[in-house]
Amino acid sequence: GENVEQHPSTLSVQEGDSAVIKCTYSDSASNYFPWYKQELGKGPQLIIDIRSNVGEKKDQRIAVTLNKTAKHFSLHITETQPEDSAVYFCAARNTNAGKSTFGDGTTLTVKP
Amino acid sequence: NAGVTQTPKFQVLKTGQSMTLQCAQDMNHEYMSWYRQDPGMGLRLIHYSVGAGITDQGEVPNGYNVSRSTTEDFPLRLLSAAPSQTSVYFCASRRSGGNTEAFFGQGTRLTVV
Repeated sequence: GENVEQHPSTLSVQEGDSAVIKCTYSDSASNYFPWYKQELGKGPQLIIDIRSNVGEKKDQRIAVTLNKTAKHFSLHITETQPEDSAVYFCAARNTNAGKSTFGDGTTLTVKP
Repeated sequence: NAGVTQTPKFQVLKTGQSMTLQCAQDMNHEYMSWYRQDPGMGLRLIHYSVGAGITDQGEVPNGYNVSRSTTEDFPLRLLSAAPSQTSVYFCASRRSGGNTEAFFGQGTRLTVV
């Protein structure tokens, strides 16, 4: 089955700095890669996703890059703000199989 | 739309008790799933369903049962609770088709003593 590794497990940055979270996956058939943000006491919520036919996608301060050859994808958050503090999960899905496999999560703390 | 609604939000059980975690969605999504979240272990798939009447096992199905009699509801049953089932449980739903966003409920925090 699919295996997703996520690094780092914790990340602390100063407000205004950039944050990068990296994930690797094992199944070359995976072709959909969403990122979720989980705030304290809430369920995960999608913040950005990328499909395997795209190398990069941006949405304001967040961006995701995908390297299919190396089987890794990354989340980039620029100009971080205290409200970006949360747990972030990456996931990989083979759209034919339907199930998603999640990384273990990264706890991001943005210090004011 | 309420989205995905989970009840209860908190529950304490004694070892050996049984209970049902409820999950309902009002988005007419075909695909529903249950995850458990443990510290440092991300989200692990327990069971999932691709439509009414169809369920399948995920990564950690032992000790749990599910059924899907309607599109809207996907209850998760703990048959005989064990301390190892202490966790936060999330239900999620999405449209069928691979490149679709999953919507999560607020979670149920279960403690088994």
